Amino acid sequence: DQQVKQNSPSLSVQEGRISILNCDYTNSMFDYFLWYKKYPAEGPTFLISISSIKDKNEDGRFTVFLNKSAKHLSLHIVPSQPGDSAVYFCAAYYGGSQGNLIFGKGTKLSVKP
Amino acid sequence: DAGVTQSPTHLIKTRGQQVTLRCSPISGHKSVSWYQQVLGQGPQFIFQYYEKEERGRGNFPDRFSARQFPNYSSELNVNALLLGDSALYLCASRSGSEGSYEQYFGPGTRLTVT
Repeated sequence: DQQVKQNSPSLSVQEGRISILNCDYTNSMFDYFLWYKKYPAEGPTFLISISSIKDKNEDGRFTVFLNKSAKHLSLHIVPSQPGDSAVYFCAAYYGGSQGNLIFGKGTKLSVKP
Repeated sequence: DAGVTQSPTHLIKTRGQQVTLRCSPISGHKSVSWYQQVLGQGPQFIFQYYEKEERGRGNFPDRFSARQFPNYSSELNVNALLLGDSALYLCASRSGSEGSYEQYFGPGTRLTVT
């Protein structure tokens, strides 16, 4: 039973446009969410995070939105660049900062020049 | 500053053998977690250690064990390897301070069991 779901296995976007990656979760006890980017043959790289007490967090070209009532979060990348092409994982924390991460299956983003 | 390091990078083992994977966290980080990632899936939590004590364990059999040393480095051991243990094993470190959520991952060890 997947508690963190990324229902789109892949997404293709034109360079310069917005990329929107979506993530749904089922456990209302999750209190912190993170997005990671992963290139082949590398470990996941931390991108941006958001606490469950907020609804938006922004860092440069990356913005994460959290809709607690819908148990949904999204990552917006504006403008998208070819170097953003990677697999993006949504992850949720359960049990506070001493807890552990539960990951979605990932979405492969392709940004075309 | 050096990031999380893992060794070896790649490993090929035979069914039934035992394997030890190693991880050094970011300097100053006291918490280390291990994850298993199989193709097409997200990383799955195996263990968390903080100050040399096990703080959490995922849904993995007892063939999997780990420990953390006084310098906060960690080892993951897998006994009686099965074909299904073939995966990318990731180590992540976190400062361990209250309110510190971000985990930073190493490059992983690619284990192939034949």
